[in-house]
Amino acid sequence: EAGVTQFPSHSVIEKGQTVTLRCDPISGHDNLYWYRRVMGKEIKFLLHFVKESKQDESGMPNNRFLAERTGGTYSTLKVQPAELEDSGVYFCASSLMTLYGYTFGSGTRLTVV
Amino acid sequence: DQQVKQNSPSLSVQEGRISILNCDYTNSMFDYFLWYKKYPAEGPTFLISISSIKDKNEDGRFTVFLNKSAKHLSLHIVPSQPGDSAVYFCAAGNAGGTSYGKLTFGQGTILTVHP
Repeated sequence: EAGVTQFPSHSVIEKGQTVTLRCDPISGHDNLYWYRRVMGKEIKFLLHFVKESKQDESGMPNNRFLAERTGGTYSTLKVQPAELEDSGVYFCASSLMTLYGYTFGSGTRLTVV
Repeated sequence: DQQVKQNSPSLSVQEGRISILNCDYTNSMFDYFLWYKKYPAEGPTFLISISSIKDKNEDGRFTVFLNKSAKHLSLHIVPSQPGDSAVYFCAAGNAGGTSYGKLTFGQGTILTVHP
């Protein structure tokens, strides 16, 4: 079974530019989550999709962040325009049942300079 | 406001001995708790979990203890092995309500097991 795939693995962009991160969940997993870890701190929840619907987006920091999951398969997280404080590692995870069996991807390390 | 705290940034243990990682939480609505292990350049990997209706769950060398009155949980690894060296994250969730999928993580504890 293929795991959760994220790309790119690394991205370096300038402040003010746009970046799009992509996540391919495990096939058949209706639940998809985005998390972020900044500067070695705690891993923070961003949002939760159930199929193509946003179940919970309470963790999205501001309207510069836009997440989509068209067709209930892969998801994208766009940051536009990027700011310095957006730097961090963005993790995607998927699961069949919520709170159980979360499988994380390896993350995308975003550096905004 | 950090609802899940791991107050020890790091822990060093000799191979074969017990590793005890601690976690405190403040939100009494949490009813499910998990531990994840993370190696460098990889995503967190689920290790073990416990429901709030239990006070102990064991899986091989890993045991999680939950003390609800103290809002404290711990992960015991016995015996510790060098391959256990990683960052360990405590996480908590609530199975009810609209945020049922959300996990709140601690800052992580770096465990180093010396041969």
